[in-house]
Amino acid sequence: AQKITQTQPGMFVQEKEAVTLDCTYDTSDQSYGLFWYKQPSSGEMIFLIYQGSYDEQNATEGRYSLNFQKARKSANLVISASQLGDSAMYFCAMRESISGGTSYGKLTFGQGTILTVHP
Amino acid sequence: NAGVTQTPKFQVLKTGQSMTLQCAQDMNHEYMSWYRQDPGMGLRLIHYSVGAGITDQGEVPNGYNVSRSTTEDFPLRLLSAAPSQTSVYFCASRLAGGPSGANVLTFGAGSRLTVL
Repeated sequence: AQKITQTQPGMFVQEKEAVTLDCTYDTSDQSYGLFWYKQPSSGEMIFLIYQGSYDEQNATEGRYSLNFQKARKSANLVISASQLGDSAMYFCAMRESISGGTSYGKLTFGQGTILTVHP
Repeated sequence: NAGVTQTPKFQVLKTGQSMTLQCAQDMNHEYMSWYRQDPGMGLRLIHYSVGAGITDQGEVPNGYNVSRSTTEDFPLRLLSAAPSQTSVYFCASRLAGGPSGANVLTFGAGSRLTVL
């Protein structure tokens, strides 16, 4: 079964507007972590933001925020004030079983969403 | 710091040839892993290691071998390349201990492999 689902293959946004990239996940673990990565056309994987399942506040990092709705099992990425440089592929990922001092939990990725920012 | 270094960046093989993708990290990370990226499928885990001498299979291990003789190095071997192994390969590493839930996976730049 797909553990991470990104239902939007492609998204378009006007420069300076906000955009939400959807991510839903499936796990029976109580302790897990959710990550978003950006992959520009150059190919490197860039970490953007992290949300732990027990974190009470939604994570924010500059223009990135994570809209975490635990009951719905969703972890949507919100990019505010989009810039041309935000055009890229975005991946949602989950690591299960993160409790304890050492975690060897594997990171599972969604299929990705291609974001295009128009001037 | 160099971070995670992968070589080569590009490689073309013929079916049946063997090769090794090299991965080295200088961050003293216990956990290392290999992913492959294919269009529409995201990144899928091939093999991973939680320390020197310890490796395990991921989601798509068939056709690949790994070993971990040192903390720094985690090579990926294709013993007999097939066209289905045409892909972009990423090596990634992270710390395993401490606030482990938030330990971020650091990726190499990727290796594009074409098997004819």
